[in-house]
Order: sequence, then structure tokens, then C-alpha cells
Amino acid sequence: AQSVTQPDIHITVSEGASLELRCNYSYGATPYLFWYVQSPGQGLQLLLKYFSGDTLVQGIKGFEAEFKRSQSSFNLRKPSVHWSDAAEYFCAVSPGGNTPLVFGKGTRLSVIA
Amino acid sequence: SQTIHQWPATLVQPVGSPLSLECTVEGTSNPNLYWYRQAAGRGLQLLFYSVGIGQISSEVPQNLSASRPQDRQFILSSKKLLLSDSSFYLCAWSVPRGRDTGELFFGEGSRLTVL
Repeated sequence: AQSVTQPDIHITVSEGASLELRCNYSYGATPYLFWYVQSPGQGLQLLLKYFSGDTLVQGIKGFEAEFKRSQSSFNLRKPSVHWSDAAEYFCAVSPGGNTPLVFGKGTRLSVIA
Repeated sequence: SQTIHQWPATLVQPVGSPLSLECTVEGTSNPNLYWYRQAAGRGLQLLFYSVGIGQISSEVPQNLSASRPQDRQFILSSKKLLLSDSSFYLCAWSVPRGRDTGELFFGEGSRLTVL
């Protein structure tokens, strides 16, 4: 069965600093990979997704993620964090078809001045 | 464009009372539909998903149920709420079978408090 691990429950970064959120997945083939963001009390918004092709994908709000097959990872990065980036971030994996997405437990990002 | 509507946004109910949360999707046909629950600090738990009218898959045994009376309508229900049902509930949809990469589109959520 597929699984997703986000090792960091909570990360605090200074505004303007770089950010990397880790995500590791367990799946036999190359899955579809996603990063979602959730502000408090809101639904989840898709940041970016990887289906195939270029392993570095660009998303909204200046985020990017890199798929590394050898490491089974799909880490999310941003070169300069803004205070508005404070939120919960979820990594997810899907084999496609009608199998529902499998989510990681999320990483809460706090941004300090 | 497609949109998803979920209501009510907030709900306070006494223990033992019934529950009905509704979700509708516009701008697409035969979507896959999902209900997730999100307890504080505990990530997303898939409760139910549906690939068509009357087709419901249950992921977690509990006192909740789901129904899909129409193609783009998904309802989460309970006959008798428990304190432990207090949570944030999210509805989501994905494109239909054959074109489904698994990408989910979420509603804005419903905050349920059971007292």
C-alpha cells in the first residue's frame, strides 16, 4: 500500500529565509505526487503536482518541488518565505485511477519576523 | 469552470442529535467525490468516497454514513452524534474514471462541534 511520510511536524523559519519541507513516499511505480497548502479553517489548495517529465516542478506562490526517484522523495522548496506562507502543508501520492489520494500527516509552518 | 460548495460552514450540535453535511460540485459530470475528516493536528482521514450515484466506499467504520443521491451531490450524515465526531470535515472531488490522476479539489470545509 502507498504511504507518505512528512518527517517534520512543525517548522519555524524567519521571514525571507529559504524553506524546504520534506516528503517521502512508498510506492512501487512512479506515482502522481502533490503538495497542498491549508490556511487555518480553510480547505486545501493545490500548490503543485508531478505527473511525469521534468522532475523539478513549479507551483503557485513561488513554490517548487523536486521529484527524486532514487530517494522516493518529493520535497517542497521556496527560496524566500513570506509571513503569508504560514500554514499547514500536505504531501500526497496517488497511483491514479479511482484510488484515493494518500496524504502525509502534514507539516505546520510558522514564520517569524 | 468547476466549483465545489460545502455547507454549513460551521455547526454546533448536541450529543445524540443527527447530522447532515452537504456538498455539491458544479461544472463537471460524474465526478469522484470524497469526505475527509481532519482532527486538530492529526492530518486528513478519508471517510468515504464515491465513483458514481449510489456507489459509496467506506474507509473507516463509525457512526457516520454517506449518500450520493445525485451525480454531483454528496451528503455526510449521522443519526446520533458523539462528542468524538467534533472535527473539521472536508468534501473534495476529482475527475471521473479514466481521466483520474487523483488530483483533488477541496471545498472550504465544515467545522462541527458536538457539545
